[in-house]
Amino acid sequence: DAGITQSPRHKVTETGTPVTLRCHQTENHRYMYWYRQDPGHGLRLIHYSYGVKDTDKGEVSDGYSVSRSKTEDFLLTLESATSSQTSVYFCAISEETSEQYFGPGTRLTVT
Amino acid sequence: SQQGEEDPQALSIQEGENATMNCSYKTSINNLQWYRQNSGRGLVHLILIRSNEREKHSGRLRVTLDTSKKSSSLLITASRAADTASYFCATVSNDYKLSFGAGTTVTVRA
Repeated sequence: DAGITQSPRHKVTETGTPVTLRCHQTENHRYMYWYRQDPGHGLRLIHYSYGVKDTDKGEVSDGYSVSRSKTEDFLLTLESATSSQTSVYFCAISEETSEQYFGPGTRLTVT
Repeated sequence: SQQGEEDPQALSIQEGENATMNCSYKTSINNLQWYRQNSGRGLVHLILIRSNEREKHSGRLRVTLDTSKKSSSLLITASRAADTASYFCATVSNDYKLSFGAGTTVTVRA
């Protein structure tokens, strides 16, 4: 596996609580991405980063924010978790338009 | 919205047979990529084909790209039980974002 880790790997939280997921890479890749995967939808892009402090929205960004203060770390925050945000979250890294390398995923359940 | 759409949604084949799945997309692309996902795991990159390429091979994988029809196909030859997985196409536009389809679930029967 490429040097990507995600933490936590599993989390159960209650509606209305804030949640932060962490993605950490050791590959020094410029681009980092957060996706969510739901049955029947494949992967959908939430936010991505093209450099330290440079981020942009994906197609399903509502209710999520991100931060990237260091090359190696990309944080995804659910400001006030809702049941519709129950999903599996994947982080990925890449260099420009080349292939992306994915982390192992975080399974989040919002009750 | 999703750019790529795979067809079929599910495929069941006998070990040793070939598996073919297709991907259609809507807008112009920089490249198109295929990924595999085993149950409960992250996605693994299989092959990348650029918009100026028509065919690419990697081991038992063959990918074609027809930009005039906005479609791609992935062929897995001589399938094995270990090929059982979901396969996703992803299109890449010039802003480096991948847009994934919903995937094809392939089951290889022993």
